[in-house]
Formats: sequence, structure tokens, C-alpha cells
Amino acid sequence: EAAVTQSPRNKVAVTGGKVTLSCNQTNNHNNMYWYRQDTGHGLRLIHYSYGAGSTEKGDIPDGYKASRPSQENFSLILELATPSQTSVYFCASGGGASAETLYFGSGTRLTVL
Amino acid sequence: GDSVTQTEGQVALSEEDFLTIHCNYSASGYPALFWYVQYPGEGPQFLFRASRDKEKGSSRGFEATYDKGTTSFHLRKASVQESDSAVYYCALALTNSAGNKLTFGIGTRVLVRP
Repeated sequence: EAAVTQSPRNKVAVTGGKVTLSCNQTNNHNNMYWYRQDTGHGLRLIHYSYGAGSTEKGDIPDGYKASRPSQENFSLILELATPSQTSVYFCASGGGASAETLYFGSGTRLTVL
Repeated sequence: GDSVTQTEGQVALSEEDFLTIHCNYSASGYPALFWYVQYPGEGPQFLFRASRDKEKGSSRGFEATYDKGTTSFHLRKASVQESDSAVYYCALALTNSAGNKLTFGIGTRVLVRP
């Protein structure tokens, strides 16, 4: 069974602060993704990666950076957090095949005050 | 850009009712289509996919048929159970991409009353 672990599960941050969300996968998948989930918007892609050292912008990258230092780890960084970034964030991994299945973590609930 | 439209935001049913969730898509190429399900407190999980016209995907009693003519992939289940209460997401991905940049619909919350 694919395993994607996110930390922390919950985070409260202050406006203007730096926030790092972490994701670890033990599936040896090449691809990793960060989505945010908001009512009325579903899941929207922020950043993704095709392997260690690579990051690509998704559909809503503004205000976010990503880092993929290894095959297993993929971080999402908010350098200057804003209240509009309050959301639930999901990390996912996929094997890289066409029409691949994505395996999601359990999410991080971020509140920016 | 590519998009997925789910017309029902929330559906309330009783056990053994028939469920239909409508999904229509708009894409520049020939996408693969997916259904994902999300239970409370968990991340979305893959339900099934279809990659070509007229292909039927199915899992756990749910099914959907890829219809290129009507650009649809409607989810159906003949007899729902309380355990089917969840949020269901329709999604698409263009099959010629290096990975799966899934584009999701807004989700449909299904509540099944015992």
C-alpha cells in the first residue's frame, strides 16, 4: 500500500510568518504534487515535481515555493503567509506513468491569523 | 484551460437509493478521466479511471462510462449504503503529459441516511 505522510497535521501561523509543510513518500515514486482544498474550488494544483531537484509551477503557484531535495521528500514553503492561504493542503505521489494513480496524504490544515 | 464541472454540490439519499453524480469535462486533448473519493479526515483516494471513449470504469459498485460525444463521465451506483457517505471528485489528466497534472472538479458531497 502506498504511503504518503504529511507533517504537521495542523498548523497555526501568523500573517507574514514563514511556514513549511512537509511531505514524505515511501513508494519510490518519481512524481509528487501539492494541492490545496477549498470549499467551492475543489482541489487545485500549486506545485509539482518529476524527481529530486525538480519543481514545476502548477495552476496557482503565487505565494508558494516548493523544494524536492530527495526522491522521498517534497516541501511546500510559504515565505510570507497571508490569511488567504488558510486552507487544507494535500501532498500526493504518483509513479509517472500515463494516467497514473495518485496517492494522497491525510492533509495539513493551515490557519493563518 | 482544461476543466471539470460537477453539477451537484451535495446529494442526500437514503440507503438503497440510486446515486448519480454528473461530471462533464472540457479539454484541449484526449484526457484520461478519474473518480476519486474522500472520506472525512482523509485524503482523496483513487476509485477508478477510464482512458478512451466508451470505456467503463468501475470499483466498489460504482461505475462510469467515458463518453467523448457528450464529454461526460457520470458516476452511478445502483444501491448506496451509509458507508458511501463521502465527497466524490471527478478529475481529468491529459494522457500525453509526463505526469498526471490532475484537474479536479469542485466535488460532490454525498450523505446517505440509514
